[in-house]
Amino acid sequence: GAGVSQSPRYKVAKRGQDVALRCDPISGHVSLFWYQQALGQGPEFLTYFQNEAQLDKSGLPSDRFFAERPEGSVSTLKIQRTQQEDSAVYLCASSSGGVTGELFFGEGSRLTVL
Amino acid sequence: GENVEQHPSTLSVQEGDSAVIKCTYSDSASNYFPWYKQELGKGPQLIIDIRSNVGEKKDQRIAVTLNKTAKHFSLHITETQPEDSAVYFCAASKNNDMRFGAGTRLTVKP
Repeated sequence: GAGVSQSPRYKVAKRGQDVALRCDPISGHVSLFWYQQALGQGPEFLTYFQNEAQLDKSGLPSDRFFAERPEGSVSTLKIQRTQQEDSAVYLCASSSGGVTGELFFGEGSRLTVL
Repeated sequence: GENVEQHPSTLSVQEGDSAVIKCTYSDSASNYFPWYKQELGKGPQLIIDIRSNVGEKKDQRIAVTLNKTAKHFSLHITETQPEDSAVYFCAASKNNDMRFGAGTRLTVKP
C-alpha cells in the first residue's frame, strides 16, 4: 500500500481480555516503531524493530505488552489481560532507516478497555 | 532519558498572523528534531525537521530554529491559514530513541 496501515482502527475490550493490533508498514521500510498516545498527550515510545529484530523494547509498560515482527514486515502488538489504563491510541510508524529519517505514521488503533 | 517540554499547550491566532511554538530538550546528545502535525483521527505527519548541525531551516511558510547551547528549538508558521489548525508535536531524537512533546493545539480563526 501507499502508507502505513493499522488494524483494527477501533477496538473495545473488556478488562482482562487479550488484544492484538496489526501494523502493515510501507513496503521496503526496515525500521518499525510502536508508540502509545494517551488522550491529549504526545506519542510515547514503546518498541523498535529493525527488520525482524526487536532492538529496543524499553518503552513497553509491563510484561503484558508484547510485540513481534517475525518476517521483517508486518508487526503485531499484543496486550494481555488488558487494564483500563491501557486505553489509548496505538500508533505504528515505519522508516527506511533508523529514526533520524522521516517516520511515516499510520492512523492508529484506538483501544478502549471497559 | 530525554525529556521534551513544549509550550504553549494551546494557541489561537487570527488568519494571516504568525504562530510560534517552542520546545526544550534535556539530552545534549539528541541530534534530530522533527515537527509533526496531527489532525483529528489521523496519525502525525512530518512537516519539517532539523538536524543538530543546522541552526535554521525554512520551507515556504514554515521555519524551524535550533539553539543547541540552550537546548531549545522553535516552529514558526507565517501567514497562517484555517487549514493550519491541528495539533503540532515537536520531538527530539538520538539513535533510535525519539521523544515527543505533549503537543500544541493551534486554532486559526478565519
